[in-house]
Amino acid sequence: DTAVSQTPKYLVTQMGNDKSIKCEQNLGHDTMYWYKQDSKKFLKIMFSYNNKELIINETVPNRFSPKSPDKAHLNLHINSLELGDSAVYFCASSQSGVAGQPQHFGDGTRLSIL
Amino acid sequence: SQQGEEDPQALSIQEGENATMNCSYKTSINNLQWYRQNSGRGLVHLILIRSNEREKHSGRLRVTLDTSKKSSSLLITASRAADTASYFCATRKGSGGGADGLTFGKGTHLIIQP
Repeated sequence: DTAVSQTPKYLVTQMGNDKSIKCEQNLGHDTMYWYKQDSKKFLKIMFSYNNKELIINETVPNRFSPKSPDKAHLNLHINSLELGDSAVYFCASSQSGVAGQPQHFGDGTRLSIL
Repeated sequence: SQQGEEDPQALSIQEGENATMNCSYKTSINNLQWYRQNSGRGLVHLILIRSNEREKHSGRLRVTLDTSKKSSSLLITASRAADTASYFCATRKGSGGGADGLTFGKGTHLIIQP
């Protein structure tokens, strides 16, 4: 069974559209994350979220918003997509409370803006 | 400034040889983690070393940490073709087990020639 799954795997869309990426984890973790990996493979944290707090990286535009219907899901909504949003987006999860817990990653969603 | 910078950026060696990758970071840490990313896949946690540890082993992996120099190295012994991947070191801004994300370096792309 896949521990962290993201859908869709590929997303090609026009500039200006609104899109969502879904993420689900079956590890029973209480914390989930979204990362963006650019064309040079540089990974940057966008959000981290558990049932107590949402931590937002201040460099993330407010066109991006995480939405968590329950502990096992953290979806990413993106409004008014721009060319610079083209990247691979990774969802991850971990268990909080113990420093240094490894994060488990999904296989990414490759977003291409035309 | 960017936390966690690996060098070299790319490394190509023959199968059976050892591969060494280095990582430098800028702020104080509680622990440092290494992840592997195969092409088109998500990141996989390899090993974690705590700030009070100097060396750690896991199978063919050996990690060292020098907190005075703010650097770490990952050694893969007896490399195999399947080790071909990108390797990232990661640190965490927070000191506890909270919901903050990891800060990744730019990664080392390792190619094992058969």
